Amino acid sequence: KNEVEQSPQNLTAQEGEFITINCSYSVGISALHWLQQHPGGGIVSLFMLSSGKKKHGRLIATINIQEKHSSLHITASHPRDSAVYICAAPLIIQGAQKLVFGQGTRLTINP
Amino acid sequence: EADIYQTPRYLVIGTGKKITLECSQTMGHDKMYWYQQDPGMELHLIHYSYGVNSTEKGDLSSESTVSRIRTEHFPLTLESARPSHTSQYLCASSEYQSSYTFGSGTRLTVV
Repeated sequence: KNEVEQSPQNLTAQEGEFITINCSYSVGISALHWLQQHPGGGIVSLFMLSSGKKKHGRLIATINIQEKHSSLHITASHPRDSAVYICAAPLIIQGAQKLVFGQGTRLTINP
Repeated sequence: EADIYQTPRYLVIGTGKKITLECSQTMGHDKMYWYQQDPGMELHLIHYSYGVNSTEKGDLSSESTVSRIRTEHFPLTLESARPSHTSQYLCASSEYQSSYTFGSGTRLTVV
């Protein structure tokens, strides 16, 4: 079982819909990243959060440390939001700091 | 605005050639990472470095090698490229445990 699990793996929605992507992790972490990867392959860091909620434009990320769960929300979704969204947690594994990635959620927003 | 730069962005090369993928960051981060990502798959750590003259193998076995002679520069080399090396290679850096910056990636195709 992966330390970081995402759901759903694929999500298709119509333009304007409210989108939620979930991320659960099994170990204690200091922070969680939400990343966006477009078809070209480059990764953009959307959020790094260790508690509560962060908002940037139409994107909102929340985290519940006790429940080991985070969500990424997109309001008023648009076709340009189509991308793979990845949550990732920095973990100490065998004494080394490593970023453990979820499987990614492929989001497609249709016009 | 990218503070971590990867070149080339795309590379198509013949089998047996030696290639070097460049990664440079201007943030003075000590920690740098190389990830490999096959199409539609998760990112896997193949190399990391915690500072000058420090390099370690990651979780995924790779025939590539890396060097860290300067803090800002972390090149990845394949001595003899093979079609099995066709993949996307992503470079990242971090300053402390929770802050990561990613490059735009190099999409390598070996024919």
